[in-house]
Amino acid sequence: QVQLQESGPGLVKPSQTLSLTCTVSGGSINSGSYYWGWIRQPAGKGLEYIGRISTSGSTNYNPSLKSRVTISVDTSKNQFSLKLSSVTAADTAVYYCARIPGGSYWYFDLWGRGTLVTVSS
Amino acid sequence: EIVLTQSPDFQSVTPKEKVTITCRASQSIGSSLHWYQQKPDQSPRLLIKYASQSFSGVPSRFSGSGSGTDFTLTINSLEAEDAATYYCLQSYSLPYTFGQGTKLEIK
Repeated sequence: QVQLQESGPGLVKPSQTLSLTCTVSGGSINSGSYYWGWIRQPAGKGLEYIGRISTSGSTNYNPSLKSRVTISVDTSKNQFSLKLSSVTAADTAVYYCARIPGGSYWYFDLWGRGTLVTVSS
Repeated sequence: EIVLTQSPDFQSVTPKEKVTITCRASQSIGSSLHWYQQKPDQSPRLLIKYASQSFSGVPSRFSGSGSGTDFTLTINSLEAEDAATYYCLQSYSLPYTFGQGTKLEIK
């Protein structure tokens, strides 16, 4: 079955760029009408939508992060990625990648296990 | 953006009890409201999509209702394994937004 796996550095220095990749296994990132998204969760807090991308590259970002976020997709590698620039301690969180079925179905139906990113010098 | 407000923030309940969690949207969102369960150190799990449609593999004791601005997640005959934090998510308009979460403790 399809699985998502986040990967990337667990520690990022303040003011630098956080970079994460989500690898889709067990299926093609291009199949169906899927969109692919990123969500984060600071320790002990709730979930925050970061953004989403279609396999054609159409993006939507949370306005609160829009100036710092870039989401991209590499269909040849079955991956999509997140870049968050100028990070601060407030960006410390577990970052999840997730799938959106698309078409008429707009919710996150499949999630990765999450990866903790700590922003600290 | 649409704000989702859940109530209560925390609830302590006994097994076999019936539990109701509500989610109120700051504007009408039709039925574009979805419910998730998150257990400690796990990723969220979709329970209910579009207010009342059960997602594949979810136990029948979980059900959802509502439309417009007011939504409810009901857990009938609570089990110990239902201890978790529950979140609602709206997909009516971008950006998607989540409720703040409701933590369910089993006594």
